[in-house]
Amino acid sequence: AQSVTQPDIHITVSEGASLELRCNYSYGATPYLFWYVQSPGQGLQLLLKYFSGDTLVQGIKGFEAEFKRSQSSFNLRKPSVHWSDAAEYFCAVAEEGGSYIPTFGRGTSLIVHP
Amino acid sequence: DAGVTQSPTHLIKTRGQQVTLRCSPKSGHDTVSWYQQALGQGPQFIFQYYEEEERQRGNFPDRFSGHQFPNYSSELNVNALLLGDSALYLCASSLWDRDTDTQYFGPGTRLTVL
Repeated sequence: AQSVTQPDIHITVSEGASLELRCNYSYGATPYLFWYVQSPGQGLQLLLKYFSGDTLVQGIKGFEAEFKRSQSSFNLRKPSVHWSDAAEYFCAVAEEGGSYIPTFGRGTSLIVHP
Repeated sequence: DAGVTQSPTHLIKTRGQQVTLRCSPKSGHDTVSWYQQALGQGPQFIFQYYEEEERQRGNFPDRFSGHQFPNYSSELNVNALLLGDSALYLCASSLWDRDTDTQYFGPGTRLTVL
């Protein structure tokens, strides 16, 4: 069965600093990978997704993620964090093909200091 | 274009009671999935509906049931509520015939069981 590990429960950065959120997955075949963001009291918003092709994926709000098969990782990055980026971030993996159902990690809470 | 909507926003019930949550999918979408998100955890898949039938189900007991209507809207029913059912319940909609389509999430219903 597929699984996702987000090793950092909380990450604190200063506004303007760079950000990297870690995600490792376990899945035998080529995975579909996602990053979602959840602000307090809100549903999940898709930041970016990887299905195939270029392993560096660009998303919304200036985020990007890189798929590294050899490391089973799909880390999320942003070069300069804004205070409005403070939220919960979820990495998810789904099986290739079919009406996919993503399996989510437990999330990383991003705190941004002014 | 309305996104995914859910009602009610918040709900308080007592143990043993029954609850019904409602979801209207994004315009043009025909598939609805339900997730349970416990505090501090990522969403967990409950089940998915397409053409008014349950198509996939996660590891949840039969106390959790659902329905999809001809207009694609959906209900989640939970019987014999337990304290552990307290969570944010998220609805997501998508298109069935697009393997790589994105799920769009609603804001969720916060259920508290006392």
